[in-house]
Amino acid sequence: DAGVTQSPTHLIKTRGQQVTLRCSPKSGHDTVSWYQQALGQGPQFIFQYYEEEERQRGNFPDRFSGHQFPNYSSELNVNALLLGDSALYLCASSYPGPKNTIYFGEGSWLTVV
Amino acid sequence: QKEVEQNSGPLSVPEGAIASLNCTYSDRGSQSFFWYRQYSGKSPELIMFIYSNGDKEDGRFTAQLNKASQYVSLLIRDSQPSDSATYLCAVKPEGGNYGQNFVFGPGTRLSVLP
Repeated sequence: DAGVTQSPTHLIKTRGQQVTLRCSPKSGHDTVSWYQQALGQGPQFIFQYYEEEERQRGNFPDRFSGHQFPNYSSELNVNALLLGDSALYLCASSYPGPKNTIYFGEGSWLTVV
Repeated sequence: QKEVEQNSGPLSVPEGAIASLNCTYSDRGSQSFFWYRQYSGKSPELIMFIYSNGDKEDGRFTAQLNKASQYVSLLIRDSQPSDSATYLCAVKPEGGNYGQNFVFGPGTRLSVLP
């Protein structure tokens, strides 16, 4: 049973470029969220998708957008990259329901130069 | 602004000792509390969750919750060098129907010395 899978694992982009990160949730999970973890900090909630719609959003600018597909997989898009966007981007998924906990994928390391 | 605070450490304990990790949170309405372990260069993995006041034990790990004091702790008994990692406290705020907007603390770095 595959867990949460993310791609790519590492990537380097230039300031001003755009990036797309991908995530497949754990089998049976229908809710996906994205987190940003800067070096030395805890993960910060970006947004959450359920039934192909963004349901909750953290304190991130509109440059961060996402999508959820009918098979529950998800993408995170970041436009106009800044040096400060360099971080580990984590996808998490859970079973339906607000009481269920979240499980993380291995993450995508983004470096902006 | 909902906040979760942890001592960043490093917390150093000798092998076989009890490691005590602490966390405080600001949102008094929070109902669910989680501990994640994160090895260097890896993603967080769930250790335990706790919903009710008191203690919850799972193997060498015990989570303790005191909602009146807005305080959560994690005890690791018989600490092993393999327990050396950063421990993240996470709180799920009250409200919302979709429940993935966890608030994480900055993490406490634990070092278990052989």
